Amino acid sequence: ETGVTQSPTHLIKTRGQQVTLRCSSQSGHNTVSWYQQALGQGPQFIFQYYREEENGRGNFPPRFSGLQFPNYSSELNVNALELDDSALYLCASSSRTLHTGELFFGEGSRLTVL
Amino acid sequence: QQQVKQSPQSLIVQKGGISIINCAYENTAFDYFPWYQQFPGKGPALLIAIRPDVSEKKEGRFTISFNKSAKQFSLHIMDSQPGDSATYFCAASKETSGSRLTFGEGTQLTVNP
Repeated sequence: ETGVTQSPTHLIKTRGQQVTLRCSSQSGHNTVSWYQQALGQGPQFIFQYYREEENGRGNFPPRFSGLQFPNYSSELNVNALELDDSALYLCASSSRTLHTGELFFGEGSRLTVL
Repeated sequence: QQQVKQSPQSLIVQKGGISIINCAYENTAFDYFPWYQQFPGKGPALLIAIRPDVSEKKEGRFTISFNKSAKQFSLHIMDSQPGDSATYFCAASKETSGSRLTFGEGTQLTVNP
């Protein structure tokens, strides 16, 4: 059983650019969620996907968008990057079927916006 | 709006001591309260969780105490070890909201040998 993997691990962008972050869910998990963790803060919920559809969104603008693929992998896209978007982006997978409530996080993609 | 408030921000204890981290929540609809542990360079990992039908849950050296009327819950780490040094996050969610967790701001725990 493989864990949650994210890529890239680090990246640097400039303001106004676009970025795509990728996540492979843990085997057997059908729900993926994305979180933004600013330095020294707790993770903030961006959105979650279930059966390839967005199924809940936090307080983030539309320039944050995502996709979930049939194999349950996922992408987070951020357009028109702003300096405040600099953060660690965490992907988490879970299984609604098991109803355990546990999220399995990847190690994150650290985005720096200059 | 900060719906889960966590304290202290940082905590230093001696090996063998008891570490206590507190959280308070506002949304009475929350019905699942996990604690996550995060080491530097790693993603958070579930440590222990509780649902509001019980007031305490213990797993090894880790105990959650839950006070529904006060809307507070706490993590107690008994016999703290240097390997417990990490950042701890409390969180809360509604079971119907799927994987949407509201996290506290975190407590950086240092256990001195």
